[in-house]
Amino acid sequence: GNSVTQMEGPVTLSEEAFLTINCTYTATGYPSLFWYVQYPGEGLQLLLKATKADDKGSNKGFEATYRKETTSFHLEKGSVQVSDSAVYFCALSGGYSGAGSYQLTFGKGTKLSVIP
Amino acid sequence: GAGVSQSPSNKVTEKGKDVELRCDPISGHTALYWYRQRLGQGLEFLIYFQGNSAPDKSGLPSDRFSAERTGESVSTLTIQRTQQEDSAVYLCASSLSQGAYEQYFGPGTRLTVT
Repeated sequence: GNSVTQMEGPVTLSEEAFLTINCTYTATGYPSLFWYVQYPGEGLQLLLKATKADDKGSNKGFEATYRKETTSFHLEKGSVQVSDSAVYFCALSGGYSGAGSYQLTFGKGTKLSVIP
Repeated sequence: GAGVSQSPSNKVTEKGKDVELRCDPISGHTALYWYRQRLGQGLEFLIYFQGNSAPDKSGLPSDRFSAERTGESVSTLTIQRTQQEDSAVYLCASSLSQGAYEQYFGPGTRLTVT
């Protein structure tokens, strides 16, 4: 079945530091890949997505590239801010045809804290 | 409504009692999902509804769990004879169609079984 593995946190960075959160996946076929973010006290929000190999998703200064050869979708940001403090979830959808292929399979989440 | 809503936001119940959780999807969204997030773990898929098709129940952990959805509107998740291991945040999400992969999540219901 499908699975997602992401680096475990918590991660603590100083403001303006470079961020990488690693994510690798196992899936049959061609899944779509996502990063979701959960800010303190808020619900899950889609941060970015990529639907095919070599696609780059980007939003709010965050980027992730769909690498089929390494089955990875690492999240990066060049300069984090205090407001980026949140829990980040890597997820995939699809990968094969059949019932239930559209549910999301999530990693366990990585808590990021950015300090001034 | 502006987004997916869920009620109640918090529920504390005694072991053995039944509970019912409600989800109101975004208007016009035909696909609806239920997930569970237990402490320290990722989200687990529970059940998926798409229009009037038979739901995908492959993620339900036991026969104590059931869910219903009438047409493309409200869904209810029912847990019978609750156990302590059912304590979790239950999240509902909806999407425009089964072909549109972006899912919009509600704020969740935090269930505590004592």
